Amino acid sequence: EDQVTQSPEALRLQEGESSSLNCSYTVSGLRGLFWYRQDPGKGPEFLFTLYSAGEEKEKERLKATLTKKESFLHITAPKPEDSATYLCAVQATTGFQKLVFGTGTRLLVSP
Amino acid sequence: GAVVSQHPSRVICKSGTSVKIECRSLDFQATTMFWYRQFPKQSLMLMATSNEGSKATYEQGVEKDKFLINHASLTLSTLTVTSAHPEDSSFYICSARDLGPSNQPQHFGDGTRLSIL
Repeated sequence: EDQVTQSPEALRLQEGESSSLNCSYTVSGLRGLFWYRQDPGKGPEFLFTLYSAGEEKEKERLKATLTKKESFLHITAPKPEDSATYLCAVQATTGFQKLVFGTGTRLLVSP
Repeated sequence: GAVVSQHPSRVICKSGTSVKIECRSLDFQATTMFWYRQFPKQSLMLMATSNEGSKATYEQGVEKDKFLINHASLTLSTLTVTSAHPEDSSFYICSARDLGPSNQPQHFGDGTRLSIL
């Protein structure tokens, strides 16, 4: 069964304090790994797709990396507006386009 | 680009009422749309995959007669919760994927908070 585990469950940072969020996964065959940001009471907002081990993607203060077992979302010099829940999801080569989500990391960045 | 609109954003109604939720892709066509359910501090759980012009595919444990899905066009899918009861109260979110390879990202609506009294 495809599974996604995210850690830590919650993370408090001071503004400017860089850190990383972890997404560990087991999947029969990886078609894609997706990172989303979700604000309270809203739907997830797409951030990155990673397709193969070694791949990296960057957007502003965020950088996502991928290995065969896990993905990291690195946040450099975060700002309070980066506070949100970050979700990781995998799509297997089987399973007809289905995304399997982790439970997310709740990030709070204090000024 | 890739905007998905979901309506209504919040519904409060009495037990036994049927509730319809609309999901529209505003600036792209979506042959496939997805319906999720999310409980507080929990992950998004896929309920069903909706394909334009054909029957939806439901996940194990999801009652298809309870959650009716219609995907009548490339930009609109609807979810109807029939005879809703308090245990159906949840946050329902739809997503849509643009035409093209199946590993393109899904884009999500802002969800519908359903509260059944």
